[in-house]
Amino acid sequence: GAVVSQHPSWVICKSGTSVKIECRSLDFQATTMFWYRQFPKQSLMLMATSNEGSKATYEQGVEKDKFLINHASLTLSTLTVTSAHPEDSSFYICSARVRDTEAFFGQGTRLTVV
Amino acid sequence: GQNIDQPTEMTATEGAIVQINCTYQTSGFNGLFWYQQHAGEAPTFLSYNVLDGLEEKGRFSSFLSRSKGYSYLLLKELQMKDSASYLCAGVDSNYQLIWGAGTKLIIKP
Repeated sequence: GAVVSQHPSWVICKSGTSVKIECRSLDFQATTMFWYRQFPKQSLMLMATSNEGSKATYEQGVEKDKFLINHASLTLSTLTVTSAHPEDSSFYICSARVRDTEAFFGQGTRLTVV
Repeated sequence: GQNIDQPTEMTATEGAIVQINCTYQTSGFNGLFWYQQHAGEAPTFLSYNVLDGLEEKGRFSSFLSRSKGYSYLLLKELQMKDSASYLCAGVDSNYQLIWGAGTKLIIKP
């Protein structure tokens, strides 16, 4: 299957700083990328949908000024958590799809804000 | 509204068979996915059904009944490594994935 690479796998940052997470589709062009957040023992929560070259569509309750998404090319999307706080600590996962195919997931990024 | 229902947790014995059910209500329907997720890892693709019937893939099979809004994932010859959460996701008319909360499967020796 197709490969989606997410980096970093884990990151610890200080409260108030910003963290950037990258999501790359390595062997295909992803027209749409999705960003999810998952708290322990809970389901995936869709944060936003990102289409190449256009602004991301955020789910209700997700602050777009706090979670900046950039989808500059068909193979790269980035999520920047700005002014991170301990409550932002979570597992962040990206996925990429080509139209109506299955979703291919990145490895996930475990963010811990101290 | 759109909704995916699946049991929260199931327990089975190594070597046995287990069936994980999923019922869905989506705006339009363009298929149903099953994913496996081990703790602390991202989900991995298991199956995709868009037509009625059973799709078999090794020890795992997935079934779909569109008229009943129902699917199940069947795991045979259970192994300890099958202990994981199993996520059911429906695809709506906009090709958006609607995720269930996942079923945590515990395998006992």
